[in-house]
Amino acid sequence: EAGVAQSPRYKIIEKRQSVAFWCNPISGHATLYWYQQILGQGPKLLIQFQNNGVVDDSQLPKDRFSAERLKGVDSTLKIQPAKLEDSAVYLCASSSTGATEAFFGQGTRLTVV
Amino acid sequence: AQSVTQLDSQVPVFEEAPVELRCNYSSSVSVYLFWYVQYPNQGLQLLLKYLSGSTLVKGINGFEAEFNKSQTSFHLRKPSVHISDTAEYFCAVSGANAGGTSYGKLTFGQGTILTVHP
Repeated sequence: EAGVAQSPRYKIIEKRQSVAFWCNPISGHATLYWYQQILGQGPKLLIQFQNNGVVDDSQLPKDRFSAERLKGVDSTLKIQPAKLEDSAVYLCASSSTGATEAFFGQGTRLTVV
Repeated sequence: AQSVTQLDSQVPVFEEAPVELRCNYSSSVSVYLFWYVQYPNQGLQLLLKYLSGSTLVKGINGFEAEFNKSQTSFHLRKPSVHISDTAEYFCAVSGANAGGTSYGKLTFGQGTILTVHP
């Protein structure tokens, strides 16, 4: 079974530029999560989708971050414009209905200079 | 609201020695507890989880953890570590809410870097 796929693995951009990350969850997984992991900290949930609907985006900085999961499968997380403090690893995770764990992708490491 | 505190940011240990990584949590609702491991430049891999039942939980790679409700702790242990156990370990909780439980909706601790020396 293929795992959670994320791309790109690494991205370097200048502040005020925009960037997008892509996530393809495990086939059949209805729930998808985006986490932000700043160096030296644990991951922090940004947004949770159930199929193509948002369940929780309370910790998403909506003035610059957006996310979508239009067809209920893959998802895109966008930052526009980026700030230096957005430098982090962005992790995508998915889980199936009734499952008691989530599976994580390898993450996208973003460096804002 | 939930929070997780991992009491040690770094734990150095010699190969074949025992190790304990400490985790305390706070929550106003029933919680489910997890330990994840993260190897360099990798995502998170589940080591073990406590949902209910026996408070001693066994996971992969010889790790185990004990849920202590009175002390709100979920410490991770391994009786004999290997060089390959060098990684960062995260304790996490998810909680029941009005919409049910999303076991992937996690609050993480700050992480503990375990370094195993030969």
